[in-house]
Amino acid sequence: EAQVTQNPRYLITVTGKKLTVTCSQNMNHEYMSWYRQDPGLGLRQIYYSMNVEVTDKGDVPEGYKVSRKEKRNFPLILESPSPNQTSLYFCASSSWTGVRTGELFFGEGSRLTVL
Amino acid sequence: GDSVTQMEGPVTLSEEAFLTINCTYTATGYPSLFWYVQYPGEGLQLLLKATKADDKGSNKGFEATYRKETTSFHLEKGSVQVSDSAVYFCALSSGNTPLVFGKGTRLSVIA
Repeated sequence: EAQVTQNPRYLITVTGKKLTVTCSQNMNHEYMSWYRQDPGLGLRQIYYSMNVEVTDKGDVPEGYKVSRKEKRNFPLILESPSPNQTSLYFCASSSWTGVRTGELFFGEGSRLTVL
Repeated sequence: GDSVTQMEGPVTLSEEAFLTINCTYTATGYPSLFWYVQYPGEGLQLLLKATKADDKGSNKGFEATYRKETTSFHLEKGSVQVSDSAVYFCALSSGNTPLVFGKGTRLSVIA
């Protein structure tokens, strides 16, 4: 089954404790992206990657890091989480055709709370 | 830059009511337009799309027509069901740039 898998789905952590949210896709997609969803602000893009070893900042990259060492994986790293990073995070992927046509496949989301 | 504006929610309707969620856009060139839906506890999924002016996208009883003259892509459904309760996002794509999303409109349908 084609899917984008994120882990963990839920996490409560404390300020400053490094964490990683993993994202993996099984569709051999070149494009992957991270979004955060906040009430009243909708979806905002954090980082995206057009291919292995290629990453670019989205609209709200501050406080986040990503890496793309393998095509299927695109982890989101919070080196020193702060309460304003409490949010619902989504990973998405797409083929090159999908990028041109805007058809993204989304994971189920990771709800992160930073105390 | 490109942007999408959609009506503020939440929208609450009774079952079998007519639904319209407004969406307008600003873009250079000729973008493709999309509606994504997010059911409770799930990620977004593509609902319908239109790639050029006057195209009508449709799926699951929902429709939206790409209106270049009014830069709009309003989502409509003739008779909503409780199972349509979700958050709906309008989005656009201008070629190889990442999708631009609206802020989302929450729809609640009551029996």
